[in-house]
Amino acid sequence: DAGVIQSPRHEVTEMGQEVTLRCKPISGHDYLFWYRQTMMRGLELLIYFNNNVPIDDSGMPEDRFSAKMPNASFSTLKIQPSEPRDSAVYFCASAPSGWNTQYFGPGTRLTVL
Amino acid sequence: KNQVEQSPQSLIILEGKNCTLQCNYTVSPFSNLRWYKQDTGRGPVSLTIMTFSENTKSNGRYTATLDADTKQSSLHITASQLSDSASYICVVSARGSDSSYKLIFGSGTRLLVRP
Repeated sequence: DAGVIQSPRHEVTEMGQEVTLRCKPISGHDYLFWYRQTMMRGLELLIYFNNNVPIDDSGMPEDRFSAKMPNASFSTLKIQPSEPRDSAVYFCASAPSGWNTQYFGPGTRLTVL
Repeated sequence: KNQVEQSPQSLIILEGKNCTLQCNYTVSPFSNLRWYKQDTGRGPVSLTIMTFSENTKSNGRYTATLDADTKQSSLHITASQLSDSASYICVVSARGSDSSYKLIFGSGTRLLVRP
């Protein structure tokens, strides 16, 4: 298995632009998580899905952030409009069931200028 | 307030030595505690996960302990190797009344193993 796949690996954009991050979970995993990591705040859970349904989005910082999971093999995290303070590494993780071991992707490093 | 505190913030040890990382938490209701290893530029990798009833779990040279009474956990690394240089993150999950879960993250301990 290729593991969790994220794209792009790096994204540089200008303030105000829309950013879309993509994730392909491990096949057969029912849970998908989006995280953000910064030096100041560490690792934060933004939202998680169970069987493609968003369960808890209380970690999403603002309405500028939205996440979707149209099917079991694909999820997106969108920021519109982006701001410099959104600069961070965004991780996607998946888990086979419940809150078992989560498998993280390589992350997307986002820089908003 | 749910909190997870890790110590030390950073640690430097010589290759071959042992070390212990600490994690104290105030999380309720407690569900489980995980230790992750994160290499620079990579995603975290799970080392151990322990529930309330477990007080020790090993993964190779990594041994985690959990004292649910004092709400403390430790991660012991035996015979350290250069590849152990990484950040180690303690994560505690709390189960909500609606069966949802909350994850509370520690800020991590940055370990550097020198030759």
